[in-house]
Amino acid sequence: ETGVTQSPTHLIKTRGQQVTLRCSSQSGHNTVSWYQQALGQGPQFIFQYYREEENGRGNFPPRFSGLQFPNYSSELNVNALELDDSALYLCASSSKSGRNQETQYFGPGTRLLVL
Amino acid sequence: SQQGEEDPQALSIQEGENATMNCSYKTSINNLQWYRQNSGRGLVHLILIRSNEREKHSGRLRVTLDTSKKSSSLLITASRAADTASYFCATDEGSSYKLIFGSGTRLLVRP
Repeated sequence: ETGVTQSPTHLIKTRGQQVTLRCSSQSGHNTVSWYQQALGQGPQFIFQYYREEENGRGNFPPRFSGLQFPNYSSELNVNALELDDSALYLCASSSKSGRNQETQYFGPGTRLLVL
Repeated sequence: SQQGEEDPQALSIQEGENATMNCSYKTSINNLQWYRQNSGRGLVHLILIRSNEREKHSGRLRVTLDTSKKSSSLLITASRAADTASYFCATDEGSSYKLIFGSGTRLLVRP
């Protein structure tokens, strides 16, 4: 167990709707990253938040947005859902200080299905 | 886009045998990591090897890194049915904030 939790575990939406996914970081971690994993593929980096600021972004459109809260938990918001947004969304927490800065600890993921 | 490519895409072995999977990447890195994923759920960190290291061990795992060839291998010795999972390599591409994953190797260990 990594100590990273995500909610909900599964979600079904229709095209055009909006969705919010949530993540609680591992205790002591100040950085949260979000990844999208399509079926049969490796995870793709969406963005990272460090101390409530976006710290880097992958090749995803602006309808993918995020927040990080003072307790370092995070939300991923996706507007105007498209069928191709169907995927497993993974949250990972890490710390930018101390040992093992590079290691990211993943939650169990939220599986989103867009119909 | 994905940085790395794992080889083979799928591997089926008998319990007790060794499993070797390979990863190639495209750009300079600070480190390379291997993760395991069971049944499309969260990823579990296995091992990290830095660019100035050539080999690293952790239990039944052995990882090698050849930066001149931009490749890494993961060896699982004395495999068990519980090792059945997908294995991904991930690099940092010189960046401090994101991991870039390959497409993974699906390992099946038959009892």
